[in-house]
Amino acid sequence: GNSVTQMEGPVTLSEEAFLTINCTYTATGYPSLFWYVQYPGEGLQLLLKATKADDKGSNKGFEATYRKETTSFHLEKGSVQVSDSAVYFCALTAENSGGYQKVTFGTGTKLQVIP
Amino acid sequence: KAGVTQTPRYLIKTRGQQVTLSCSPISGHRSVSWYQQTPGQGLQFLFEYFSETQRNKGNFPGRFSGRQFSNSRSEMNVSTLELGDSALYLCASSVTGISGELFFGEGSRLTVL
Repeated sequence: GNSVTQMEGPVTLSEEAFLTINCTYTATGYPSLFWYVQYPGEGLQLLLKATKADDKGSNKGFEATYRKETTSFHLEKGSVQVSDSAVYFCALTAENSGGYQKVTFGTGTKLQVIP
Repeated sequence: KAGVTQTPRYLIKTRGQQVTLSCSPISGHRSVSWYQQTPGQGLQFLFEYFSETQRNKGNFPGRFSGRQFSNSRSEMNVSTLELGDSALYLCASSVTGISGELFFGEGSRLTVL
């Protein structure tokens, strides 16, 4: 089956530091890849996505590039802020045998940014 | 535009009881999907409904069931509760389905004693 592997957290960074959260996947076919973010006490919200190889998703200073050759979709940000403290989930959707989409999430990586 | 609304937000049940959770999607969204979030297992897909039909199902026992009404509102039911069912249950709505952008509610936190 499909799977998503994220780096273990928590990740603690100082404000303005560079962020990388690793995500690798296994899937059959051609999955779409997503990063969702969950702020404390809230539901998840879409951060960015990429639907085919070499696509780059970007939003709010975050970026991730769909690398089919390494089956990766690492999340990066050049300069993190305290307000970026949250849990980040990597996810993929892929078509199942019935022709419908199925979503698989990683376990989440907690990011804490200190002033 | 109102977001996804889940009720109740918190509930406590005992083993063997059953529970029903409700999800009202964003107006115009026909897809509703449900997820179980636990510290140990992370976020796991339960099922998706689109226009009152279940389109996909995750790997959960038959005690977990759901339905969707003609107004796209959805309910999830868990029967014969077990301690391991304690979790945050999230629902998400989408215009086209789970391959598109998902809009999540804040969740219903279930504690089973």
